[in-house]
Amino acid sequence: DAKTTQPPSMDCAEGRAANLPCNHSTISGNEYVYWYRQIHSQGPQYIIHGLKNNETNEMASLIITEDRKSSTLILPHATLRDTAVYYCIADGGGSNYKLTFGKGTLLTVNP
Amino acid sequence: DTGVSQDPRHKITKRGQNVTFRCDPISEHNRLYWYRQTLGQGPEFLTYFQNEAQLEKSRLLSDRFSAERPKGSFSTLEIQRTEQGDSAMYLCASSTPGTLSYEQYFGPGTRLTVT
Repeated sequence: DAKTTQPPSMDCAEGRAANLPCNHSTISGNEYVYWYRQIHSQGPQYIIHGLKNNETNEMASLIITEDRKSSTLILPHATLRDTAVYYCIADGGGSNYKLTFGKGTLLTVNP
Repeated sequence: DTGVSQDPRHKITKRGQNVTFRCDPISEHNRLYWYRQTLGQGPEFLTYFQNEAQLEKSRLLSDRFSAERPKGSFSTLEIQRTEQGDSAMYLCASSTPGTLSYEQYFGPGTRLTVT
């Protein structure tokens, strides 16, 4: 598993885009970047994943740099319900698919 | 609701007692995971099942912990002789085979408090 580094906390105004960075400079070629979030007192929730190309789904966009050493999760129009801890995970080498979580980034969306 | 369910949601027990938690995964998911989460930390992997076979156990899973998935459906996690250090949120997740296994669906967790 590649080590990931995320800022411990970020703030965002409601309705604005939230851009959450993640550094994964030791990522190997077969490792994907996954993002999960955990709203207070709930289990983590899968958001999005990518390998090389940028990805978009109904929840978010994932921008991966060309050298794959970092990525950014973008929530285009943050709402109060997006307040959560966001985890960036770089993995893909094992056969058991266990997730290795760090401490993540606490995103607080302010009204 | 067809999501992952866990029971109980909260458990308070006295040190030295045994506790058992249950997880019901999404019905078509053959992979099941247990994680433990302490305050301020991300979830930590405990163990993993593919169908009824337990294929990996973390070193965090001491001999006081045992997990089963007898028919490849629901799973139980038992902690014997609980200690205060066992106080945590115990999370269960399930997934389908292959690379999609990284898309794990988590239950709400069981919060254990050992007094």
